[in-house]
Amino acid sequence: DTAVSQTPKYLVTQMGNDKSIKCEQNLGHDTMYWYKQDSKKFLKIMFSYNNKELIINETVPNRFSPKSPDKAHLNLHINSLELGDSAVYFCASSQTRGLAGGRWIDNEQFFGPGTRLTVL
Amino acid sequence: ILNVEQSPQSLHVQEGDSTNFTCSFPSSNFYALHWYRWETAKSPEALFVMTLNGDEKKKGRISATLNTKEGYSYLYIKGSQPEDSATYLCAFENRDDKIIFGKGTRLHILP
Repeated sequence: DTAVSQTPKYLVTQMGNDKSIKCEQNLGHDTMYWYKQDSKKFLKIMFSYNNKELIINETVPNRFSPKSPDKAHLNLHINSLELGDSAVYFCASSQTRGLAGGRWIDNEQFFGPGTRLTVL
Repeated sequence: ILNVEQSPQSLHVQEGDSTNFTCSFPSSNFYALHWYRWETAKSPEALFVMTLNGDEKKKGRISATLNTKEGYSYLYIKGSQPEDSATYLCAFENRDDKIIFGKGTRLHILP
């Protein structure tokens, strides 16, 4: 009954390959995110989707393409992998921001366990 | 440039002592301020989401305050325990859907 799951947990691949990381949430949330934890352990947002629509797209190379087949899934596809892509990638989800029933929704994010990508 | 600063970067606290640390964020276009607890080799865990100036939230021995006018939030831990050792992250969210994380405060509880 994992809330936010990612597969695979570890991914080791060669430079130039294309790979995908999958994320699924069973919390009924409308918004999903991808974060990259860089070599200095800093967490940076890459993308955010709300109801299958892209709402945040930070400055990431266009080799990274998120795909949201439905609001419970947000997959990350990476083309032509480079050494600098090695990092831990976290998926997260939250309820839709804004007002509901006259009060602000506490849109805390629930994170997946992370996928450690190593590019050789 | 939107910047979120956390201080101190690292903190050693004796078990049983209370402590606090700071998150500074832009005071304009504010939407929400998030606090997360992140243990090594695990994923970040949400502690608080704060949206209103003057908000104070509490969860057990951990509490947080928010000042959106001056752009800062404090996280307090009362009577530190070894299990409180972790990195505490804050994240600023604005009305344009920007989310920026601070670099975290690494808390070490000494037995």
